[in-house]
Formats: sequence, C-alpha cells, structure tokens
Amino acid sequence: KQEVTQIPAALSVPEGENLVLNCSFTDSAIYNLQWFRQDPGKGLTSLLLIQSSQREQTSGRLNASLDKSSGRSTLYIAASQPGDSATYLCAVQTGANNLFFGTGTRLTVIP
Amino acid sequence: SAVISQKPSRDICQRGTSLTIQCQVDSQVTMMFWYRQQPGQSLTLIATANQGSEATYESGFVIDKFPISRPNLTFSTLTVSNMSPEDSSIYLCSVAMGSYNEQFFGPGTRLTVL
Repeated sequence: KQEVTQIPAALSVPEGENLVLNCSFTDSAIYNLQWFRQDPGKGLTSLLLIQSSQREQTSGRLNASLDKSSGRSTLYIAASQPGDSATYLCAVQTGANNLFFGTGTRLTVIP
Repeated sequence: SAVISQKPSRDICQRGTSLTIQCQVDSQVTMMFWYRQQPGQSLTLIATANQGSEATYESGFVIDKFPISRPNLTFSTLTVSNMSPEDSSIYLCSVAMGSYNEQFFGPGTRLTVL
C-alpha cells in the first residue's frame, strides 16, 4: 500500500524567507501528485498537480518538483507571506484515482 | 476547476443517531469521492461514488455504516449511521476533473458525536 510522508511536520519562518516542504512516497507507480493547502477548519485548495511524466510545475510563488524514481517531491515557496500560513498536504494518485495523503506540514509565517 | 458545496457545514449529534451529508457540484462529473479526516490526522478515502453504479468502499469502511447515494452527475450524499464518538471527524467530498483527474474538494462537514 502506498505510504506518503511529509517532513517537517511543522515549520515556522519569518516573513520573506524562501522555504521547502518535503514529501516522500513508497510506491513510484503513481499517476500524478498534487499539493494542497488546508486552512484551519476548512477544506482543501488544490495548489499544483504534477503529472508522473513531469519534473516540475510552477504557479506564482510556488514551484513543485517530482522525482518519481526516488519517490520524492518538494514544494518551494518563494518570499513567504503571513497569508501562506496553513497546512500543506501532499497526495499521490494511483491509477485507481485514489489519492493517498501525507500527514501534512503546518506552516506558520511570522510577520 | 469545480465549485463544491457541502451541507451541513457542521453538526453536533448524539450517539446512536445518523447524519446525512450532502455534496453538490456546479458541473457534471463522473467520479466523486468521500474522505474522512479524523482530528489531527490526514485524509482517508472512504469510498468512490460513480453515478449509475454502487459505491466502491475502501478497506475498513462498509456500506451499512456509510451508505452513499449518487442519484445524478452533480450530487451525492454520505450517511454516517449509528454514530459513536469515534465518528467525530471532518467529512469531505471531492471530484476528479480534467485529463489528469485533478481532484477538487468541498469545504467539509465537521461532525461531533457526543
């Protein structure tokens, strides 16, 4: 069964700093990988989707990379802002459309 | 993307009762999913609900406890039956759209069982 791990579990940075969130998965036979953010008590917002054939995907200040062979993905956030404070979830999708979620990284950006 | 709404947004229920959660999507989708997020944990898939067929349940989840309806391509319900405090969670529906089956989520239903 696919297992997804995210490190660190929590991260606190000063505003303006660049940061990297890590995601690893055990089975490289994935269809795609998605990064989400979840604000407290709310649903999930899709940030980026990387297809299994892609190496990276960018959206604004966010850049996600994928190394399928090593079972790793990173989410890079440039010039962090207090509004970026949230929990970031990584999820890998198998061919059955099932998303396997990591445990998340809780990010706090300090003004 | 899709705009997804859920009702209710939250509820507090008594042990032994049942609650039905509704999920409405603003466009027709084939695949809808129901997830559970227990306190302090990540999301776990309960079942996949495709219109016109029985829902497919993941290991550890059964139809008697979590019956699902999918009457059309924009709507689904999840019922949490005979509730116990262990059922206290956030329940989220999602849909898969586009060529790469990107998933989009509703705002969730926060359930507390006393």
